[in-house]
Amino acid sequence: EVQLVESGGGFVQPGRSLRLSCTTSGFPFGDFAMGWFRQAPGKGLEWLTLIRMKTSGGTTHYAASVKHRFIVSRDDSRGIAYLQMSGLRTDDTAVYYCTRGYTYGPDSWGQGTLVTVSS
Amino acid sequence: DIQMTQSPSAISASVGDRVTITCRASQGITDYLAWFQQKPGEVPKRLIFGASGLQNGVPSRFSGSGSGTEFTLTISNLQPEDFATYFCLQHYDYPWTLGQGTKVDVK
Repeated sequence: EVQLVESGGGFVQPGRSLRLSCTTSGFPFGDFAMGWFRQAPGKGLEWLTLIRMKTSGGTTHYAASVKHRFIVSRDDSRGIAYLQMSGLRTDDTAVYYCTRGYTYGPDSWGQGTLVTVSS
Repeated sequence: DIQMTQSPSAISASVGDRVTITCRASQGITDYLAWFQQKPGEVPKRLIFGASGLQNGVPSRFSGSGSGTEFTLTISNLQPEDFATYFCLQHYDYPWTLGQGTKVDVK
C-alpha cells in the first residue's frame, strides 16, 4: 500500500524556519517525482513545488509564492522528501500535503501537516 | 502562469441529478488535466487523469472530457457520498495551477 506521512509541522514565529518531512513506503520512491501542496484555512489548494526523479535530473520547480524561501529535496535511500521552509510569514499558515506523481499529476497524497505561523 | 477558471463555484443538487463542472485554461494544455474530490477534513482524491482517464476504483458515474482549453467533469446519478468539493489541476506547465473549486451540496 502506498503511504505518504508528513511530519515536522507546528507553531513557528514569523521569519523562522521549519523543515517538513514526507516519509514514504509501499512504492519505489526513486521512480517517482514528489511534490508539495498546501491549503490555508478555508481556502483552496495551492501547488508549491515538485522535485523530479534523479534519472530526470532531480530538477525542481517552485511556485512564485515560495521560490527563494522554500527548498524541496529528496533522500532516495530513505524514501523521504523534504520541504525546507525559511522566512516564514503568517500567510504561510496552512496544512501542507506531500504528493507523489508527475506524469498525470499527483496520484497519492499524505494526510497533511499543519504549519501555523504566528507571533 | 496558466489560469484555470472553474465554474460554477457552487452547485446545489439532489441525489440522482447529473452535475457538470467546467474548467477553462487560459492557454492550451492538451490533456494535462486532473480532477480531484475533497471532502471536509479529508485528503484530496484523484478522480480523473489525462482529462478523461478514470482513476482506478472511482465509480463510473464520474467522467471527464475535453482537451486544449475547456474541460468538463460530469457526475451522473449523484450519490450521497458525492457531496464534496471538486477542483481541477493543470500540470502542463509550471507553476501547476488549480481551479478555485466547486462545492456540490444538498439542494
